[in-house]
Amino acid sequence: GAVVSQHPSWVICKSGTSVKIECRSLDFQATTMFWYRQFPKQSLMLMATSNEGSKATYEQGVEKDKFLINHASLTLSTLTVTSAHPEDSSFYICSARDLDTYSNQPQHFGDGTRLSIL
Amino acid sequence: KQEVTQIPAALSVPEGENLVLNCSFTDSAIYNLQWFRQDPGKGLTSLLLIQSSQREQTSGRLNASLDKSSGRSTLYIAASQPGDSATYLCAVPGSNDYKLSFGAGTTVTVRA
Repeated sequence: GAVVSQHPSWVICKSGTSVKIECRSLDFQATTMFWYRQFPKQSLMLMATSNEGSKATYEQGVEKDKFLINHASLTLSTLTVTSAHPEDSSFYICSARDLDTYSNQPQHFGDGTRLSIL
Repeated sequence: KQEVTQIPAALSVPEGENLVLNCSFTDSAIYNLQWFRQDPGKGLTSLLLIQSSQREQTSGRLNASLDKSSGRSTLYIAASQPGDSATYLCAVPGSNDYKLSFGAGTTVTVRA
């Protein structure tokens, strides 16, 4: 149980393109999902907290107009990288908390999306 | 702000040797601590989660200990195998939210 599906797993596109990444909780409901970014050989850095039915909360230094987050249902959050440029190339990973668990339960992670902007 | 540190950054051992990975955190008011494995280019696989009230957690060849007062956790991997080669990350949630703070990871290479 507790599977998080992330799609696509790999995207290559031209500079200026907008790219949408989906994060789905397959067998549980998630009011809160998190989006992380990981550069090569570095750890995960939290970008934003996605809340179902409300605006996302962005971490300091993350441009909200650049990284649009939508959490329209209890099982789906999307991250759209708008007008992507080569410096946006990175590994993006989402995680989700199960609505029905206590605060001391683990988050469940997707398999990540590798974004390469040419 | 929670700071998580992992030592060493990299580790190379011959097959069969036991592995000891260290994680320290600055704010001891944690709900739990989680250990993850990450293979190159892949997402995170959760290995163990230790609740703040526990001192250790075991799963097969893996054993994780937690000393909240000193802000430390150790992941032990017994009888290492080449398939254990990966990066191991520890993470703790914030005291007022569920945001995870990650260490930089320990990259393990087990030589056959």
